[in-house]
Amino acid sequence: GEDVEQSLFLSVREGDSSVINCTYTDSSSTYLYWYKQEPGAGLQLLTYIFSNMDMKQDQRLTVLLNKKDKHLSLRIADTQTGDSAIYFCAEIRSGNTGKLIFGQGTTLQVKP
Amino acid sequence: GAVVSQHPSWVICKSGTSVKIECRSLDFQATTMFWYRQFPKQSLMLMATSNEGSKATYEQGVEKDKFLINHASLTLSTLTVTSAHPEDSSFYICSARDVDGKQETQYFGPGTRLLVL
Repeated sequence: GEDVEQSLFLSVREGDSSVINCTYTDSSSTYLYWYKQEPGAGLQLLTYIFSNMDMKQDQRLTVLLNKKDKHLSLRIADTQTGDSAIYFCAEIRSGNTGKLIFGQGTTLQVKP
Repeated sequence: GAVVSQHPSWVICKSGTSVKIECRSLDFQATTMFWYRQFPKQSLMLMATSNEGSKATYEQGVEKDKFLINHASLTLSTLTVTSAHPEDSSFYICSARDVDGKQETQYFGPGTRLLVL
């Protein structure tokens, strides 16, 4: 997990945008993912981006990838209280037989 | 998205007993599944890679005789915690790898919470 870094906590007001950041170290990453985990539940795949893309948008979610800086971000527009959860970024490296390398997770707190 | 189920969702057992957890991919076939363990407020720790029709690959420090993995079909992997002890109490999550052409995604089960008394 130490090769993928995330800040641990983010607090926003309902209706604001949230930006969760992630940095990684291995340039052989092929896919990068964002997962959401609610208390006591498994991980829900939110979105993913292939390493040759810069941006991907899916409704309220926007993923930005800066390969040069090895930086990935997830922007949630119009954040709602239901978005409160832990968000994990993860990468798959080339030749890694599908093993995901996870960040520590960012706890997003949305205040009404 | 694809669905992965786990059973049971909750299990309480006495120390020394064995517990089997099932992981199923419901709408796709998965030649590869993964088993993770998660401690409170921590990220997921990969325990092993489960390969259909062959032996599992365990991560360093994970006892293969204690955590038995069987992947007998393309939709089912099982994790058996043998002779469970209180330190094995944890949240166990499986995932299934879905490879569709150039696209690769991994879908997670809802997790199994194990409490060993």
